[in-house]
Amino acid sequence: QSALTQPASVSGSPGQSITISCTGTSSDVGGYNYVSWYQQLPGKAPQLMIYDVSNRPSGVSNRFSGSKSGNTASLTISGLQAEDEADYYCSSYTSTSTQVFGGGTKLTVL
Amino acid sequence: QVQLQESGPGLVKPSQTLSLTCTVSGGSISSGSYSWSWIRQPAGKGLEWLGRIYASGNTYYNPSLNSRVTISVDTSKNQFSLKLSSVTAADTAVYYCAGVLYGRYFDYWGQGTLVTVSS
Repeated sequence: QSALTQPASVSGSPGQSITISCTGTSSDVGGYNYVSWYQQLPGKAPQLMIYDVSNRPSGVSNRFSGSKSGNTASLTISGLQAEDEADYYCSSYTSTSTQVFGGGTKLTVL
Repeated sequence: QVQLQESGPGLVKPSQTLSLTCTVSGGSISSGSYSWSWIRQPAGKGLEWLGRIYASGNTYYNPSLNSRVTISVDTSKNQFSLKLSSVTAADTAVYYCAGVLYGRYFDYWGQGTLVTVSS
């Protein structure tokens, strides 16, 4: 299975909004509403930020939102804060009952 | 609150088998809502899903590693384990165990353990 495609890096200034895309195929992202997003701070384990395309776990800021159109899912972070600087990964369930990650996106807050 | 903790050797010789165990605390590994996964991350690189196991023993593996990966579960000890055979330097990574809710997303993560493959 091929990794989902994410931009290697994105950046934004405090207070701005950024969007990270995650492109797959009809066998993963496009076929199921089972896309999730993870934030990974340096030296830490990933943390779930969005599940099932657009749902936020308890405790995650409402500045984080998710959406999907066709084979591409997106994570939007509004009102950027310095603490949002991290690596972000998308993941999807697949048609073979496996899971696949995106290559990761490094978010820089300018 | 469910917690996961990886354990195992931090150094493995090339061609040998990497073995790690994940201990689940604060909840039952037999919870019907959860399955259990292994994920790894080479230094400076992205996450790679290795496989998933249910308490029943049913498994799913990353097809790119299928023949080298085995995941097993011991419900009596609330643990699940990873074996990766014929390792090379390319298998050097931080290995994470994770709880997967409804088979769809990784809800709980261990802190990760670094495994280095070197002679």
